[in-house]
Amino acid sequence: DGGITQSPKYLFRKEGQNVTLSCEQNLNHDAMYWYRQDPGQGLRLIYYSQIVNDFQKGDIAEGYSVSREKKESFPLTVTSAQKNPTAFYLCASTGQWNTEAFFGQGTRLTVV
Amino acid sequence: AQSVSQHNHHVILSEAASLELGCNYSYGGTVNLFWYVQYPGQHLQLLLKYFSGDPLVKGIKGFEAEFIKSKFSFNLRKPSVQWSDTAEYFCAVLNTGGFKTIFGAGTRLFVKA
Repeated sequence: DGGITQSPKYLFRKEGQNVTLSCEQNLNHDAMYWYRQDPGQGLRLIYYSQIVNDFQKGDIAEGYSVSREKKESFPLTVTSAQKNPTAFYLCASTGQWNTEAFFGQGTRLTVV
Repeated sequence: AQSVSQHNHHVILSEAASLELGCNYSYGGTVNLFWYVQYPGQHLQLLLKYFSGDPLVKGIKGFEAEFIKSKFSFNLRKPSVQWSDTAEYFCAVLNTGGFKTIFGAGTRLFVKA
C-alpha cells in the first residue's frame, strides 16, 4: 500500500539529547513536510522540502533540523536547542501541483 | 501573514443533529481550501477540498463545504451527524502555487449516541 510511514510511534528523550524522527513515503511525491501538533494550536509547519537536496524553514524551525538526501525520506532531528520539544509530530507529503497532503500516523515525542 | 481561524474548539452534538463548523482565512490571493479529519487513533485524512468552480463541494461521509469568497469563509456542514463522526476537524488553506499549507487550530467534535 502506498503511504507515509513515521517511526517510532512513541519516543522518549532525555533533556539535552538530540533525537531523529523518521519519515518515509512511497507515493513518489516531490514535496514533504514536518508539522508539530499541539492541543489548541492546530498544525504548525517546522520544515518543508520541495525537492531532493533542498528544504526550507517553516514557521517554527528553531531547534530543529532536516535533511532530504532521497526523495522517499525526510528525517527530522529535534535538537537540544528546542526549548519545548514534547509534542506530536506529523510528516506529510504532496504530489504534483502541491494539492492535498497525505499524512503519516505521527510520532509522539516526550522529553523526560 | 496568512492565518486560518476556526470558530469553535469543542462541539458536542447528539446523533441526527445538524453540524456547521466555521472557518475563515486571511489571504488576498487565490487559494485552495481543505478540510481534514482526524478520527481517534487514526492519521489525518482529507475530507474535502475546493480548488475552483462550484463553491459548494461535497466530500466523503455526507460532508459538504461552501466557499464564500467575499467572506473569506469555508464552512463545513453535515445535515445529520452520526456517532462515528466523532473526530477532530481541521480547516486548511494553501495559496495557489505555494507550498505552505496553513492549518486552523482544529475543532473537536463529540457526537453523543
